[in-house]
Amino acid sequence: EDQVTQSPEALRLQEGESSSLNCSYTVSGLRGLFWYRQDPGKGPEFLFTLYSAGEEKEKERLKATLTKKESFLHITAPKPEDSATYLCAVRKDSSYKLIFGSGTRLLVRP
Amino acid sequence: SQTIHQWPATLVQPVGSPLSLECTVEGTSNPNLYWYRQAAGRGLQLLFYSVGIGQISSEVPQNLSASRPQDRQFILSSKKLLLSDSGFYLCAWSPPGDQYFGPGTRLLVL
Repeated sequence: EDQVTQSPEALRLQEGESSSLNCSYTVSGLRGLFWYRQDPGKGPEFLFTLYSAGEEKEKERLKATLTKKESFLHITAPKPEDSATYLCAVRKDSSYKLIFGSGTRLLVRP
Repeated sequence: SQTIHQWPATLVQPVGSPLSLECTVEGTSNPNLYWYRQAAGRGLQLLFYSVGIGQISSEVPQNLSASRPQDRQFILSSKKLLLSDSGFYLCAWSPPGDQYFGPGTRLLVL
């Protein structure tokens, strides 16, 4: 069964304390892995798409990496404004559908 | 640039009443369109997607229906709302590939 699992469910960091969020997936024929940021009461904001193992993408303090079984979202020296829920999703070959994980709620304290 | 609109932003409806949520996209043509529902603290569940006018695919059998009367308009409807229909409804659009989300509609059924 196709599945996306994110861990941890919640993460509290001090400002400047770097960490990583995990997204593990079991899907046949991965066509893309997506990361989104979602603030409370708002729609998800697109961050990255990764297509193949070994690929990396960066945006400000965020860096996403992909292996054949999982993806990591590394947050370097986070700031309070990085507090949000981070969602991971995968897309299969020959499908328009995104399969989402349940997200990681990140809180960065000043 | 492309913009996606949803309205209303918030809606409180009694059980058994009808529903109509609207989504429109600007700045692109022939987009793929999607309706998702997000329960509190959970990931996104795909409800419907459309690859063209009048073409609707349903992912989950339920009390809801969708229509696409124009190229950049996607409507989510119900004839009679249930308590379980409460949630955060998100519209998304994509060219082939990345999906971009609207601001969402918060629906509370009482």
